[in-house]
Amino acid sequence: EAQVTQNPRYLITVTGKKLTVTCSQNMNHEYMSWYRQDPGLGLRQIYYSMNVEVTDKGDVPEGYKVSRKEKRNFPLILESPSPNQTSLYFCASKGDLSYNEQFFGPGTRLTVL
Amino acid sequence: AQSVSQHNHHVILSEAASLELGCNYSYGGTVNLFWYVQYPGQHLQLLLKYFSGDPLVKGIKGFEAEFIKSKFSFNLRKPSVQWSDTAEYFCAVNFSNYGQNFVFGPGTRLSVLP
Repeated sequence: EAQVTQNPRYLITVTGKKLTVTCSQNMNHEYMSWYRQDPGLGLRQIYYSMNVEVTDKGDVPEGYKVSRKEKRNFPLILESPSPNQTSLYFCASKGDLSYNEQFFGPGTRLTVL
Repeated sequence: AQSVSQHNHHVILSEAASLELGCNYSYGGTVNLFWYVQYPGQHLQLLLKYFSGDPLVKGIKGFEAEFIKSKFSFNLRKPSVQWSDTAEYFCAVNFSNYGQNFVFGPGTRLSVLP
């Protein structure tokens, strides 16, 4: 089944404790992206990647890191999480750069105490 | 900076009523436009998209949207809503001169009363 998977789905952590949220897609998509969803703000793009070893900042990259060492994986790293990073995070992928549909993962709900 | 606005935060309708959700964007160049739906507890799903051609596009579940370039708008419509349309709806824009950056609107929550 074609899908985007994220792990973990739920995470509660404390300020300053490094964490990684994994994202994987099995559709051989070139493009992958991370968003955070907050009430009243919709989805805001954090980082995106157009291919292996190519990453770019979205609208809200501060406090986040990403890497794209393999085509299928695009982990989101919070080196020192803070409470304002409490949010619902979605990973997405799409096949190429011709503006086709993005496929979204199930979401990761992160709480930083 | 590019931005996307949605006119209504929360819309409440009775079943069989007609729906129109507004979406406007700030940029005057070439854009690619999307409407996504998020049912409670689920991830986003694409309803419809516009890249070029006929400005009236039809999507899944009876939804359609009209692109009006002069008004920078891409409004979503459905002639007769059902209880199962209760969800949050997001307009999204890819501003082509800004590469692969996608900007989402803040969302409109639709509640359909049975």
